[in-house]
Amino acid sequence: GAVVSQHPSRVICKSGTSVKIECRSLDFQATTMFWYRQFPKQSLMLMATSNEGSKATYEQGVEKDKFLINHASLTLSTLTVTSAHPEDSSFYICSARLAGGTGRNEQFFGPGTRLTVL
Amino acid sequence: AQRVTQPEKLLSVFKGAPVELKCNYSYSGSPELFWYVQYSRQRLQLLLRHISRESIKGFTADLNKGETSFHLKKPFAQEEDSAMYYCALSGQGAQKLVFGQGTRLTINP
Repeated sequence: GAVVSQHPSRVICKSGTSVKIECRSLDFQATTMFWYRQFPKQSLMLMATSNEGSKATYEQGVEKDKFLINHASLTLSTLTVTSAHPEDSSFYICSARLAGGTGRNEQFFGPGTRLTVL
Repeated sequence: AQRVTQPEKLLSVFKGAPVELKCNYSYSGSPELFWYVQYSRQRLQLLLRHISRESIKGFTADLNKGETSFHLKKPFAQEEDSAMYYCALSGQGAQKLVFGQGTRLTINP
């Protein structure tokens, strides 16, 4: 159980175009999802926290208008990279939080999406 | 501010040898600590969390509040333990995780 999927797994786009990445919790409902960015050989950097039915909370330094997040249902969050540029090329990973019980704060991660902007 | 430090980027040990991956944190309240593991070509997955006090795949980790550490240990390393290991912290009442830089563990035969 607690599987998170991402689509697409890999995308190549031209500079200036927008790319949408989907994150789905397949067998559980996730009121909270998270979007991370990972550069080669580096750790995960949290970009934003996505709460179902409300606006996402962005981390400092992350452009809200650049990285649009929508969490319209309990099983789907989307990240849209608008007007993508080569510096946006990265590995984007989502996770969904399984909440419940005292101190239980586990996140389940998607497989990631490799974005390459030409 | 919340911070997680994993001082070793790379760690290499021989099969059967003990292994310890270091993790230190900075947080003023009561944190929740996790170890996540990423095997080659696989997604990040939870290995263990301090509140569970469990041993997973032979690994254990004890939260030492005095030293603000949460080191991951295994007495006898196996080749299948080779992976990237991330220590992560969640602040009291917080939802998000703060990750360390990760340690790439290689178990040599």
